[in-house]
Amino acid sequence: EAAVTQSPRNKVTVTGGNVTLSCRQTNSHNYMYWYRQDTGHGLRLIHYSYGAGNLQIGDVPDGYKATRTTQEDFFLLLELASPSQTSLYFCASSVTGGAPDTQYFGPGTRLLVL
Amino acid sequence: GDSVTQTEGPVTVSESESLIINCTYSATSIAYPNLFWYVRYPGEGLQLLLKVITAGQKGSSRGFEATYNKETTSFHLQKASVQESDSAVYYCALGEGNNRIFFGDGTQLVVKP
Repeated sequence: EAAVTQSPRNKVTVTGGNVTLSCRQTNSHNYMYWYRQDTGHGLRLIHYSYGAGNLQIGDVPDGYKATRTTQEDFFLLLELASPSQTSLYFCASSVTGGAPDTQYFGPGTRLLVL
Repeated sequence: GDSVTQTEGPVTVSESESLIINCTYSATSIAYPNLFWYVRYPGEGLQLLLKVITAGQKGSSRGFEATYNKETTSFHLQKASVQESDSAVYYCALGEGNNRIFFGDGTQLVVKP
């Protein structure tokens, strides 16, 4: 079973604050993804990566940076957090990026921006 | 663009009753998208429940089933007899073959004992 972990699980910050969300997968998957989910909305893709040093832009990238430092680790950075970024963030990974491939998700990080 | 619409929740059913969660999709970038149902239990991340990659085929898992209907662009999730442990949020999703999966808004299922 694929393992994806996220930290922290909960985070509170203030407007203008600097936040880093971490994700690690230990199954040698090539692809990693960051999503956000808001009440009444499905998961929306922020950024994704197909390997260390690679970054692809998703559907809602504004206000977010991401970095894939190793095959295992993918970070999401909010450099000037805003209340609109209050959300539930999920990280996921998959072996390949092909559509039939199952994505494995972490447990999520709840972020509150005051 | 590609999108998925599913039953708005919460959906409340009693244990042992049948369940259907509707899902319809719109695929503009690909003629035959891959279709998925994911489930998220409280405090956990999403996990794959079932997937179907061929139109006309049925997928099944844990007593749930869904049929890929190209004519009606639907992928409804059904279960004949739900259990309290099925309480979760269910997401219908569409994969368009280029590293992307589009998720519906999720349907919260509450099963009463």
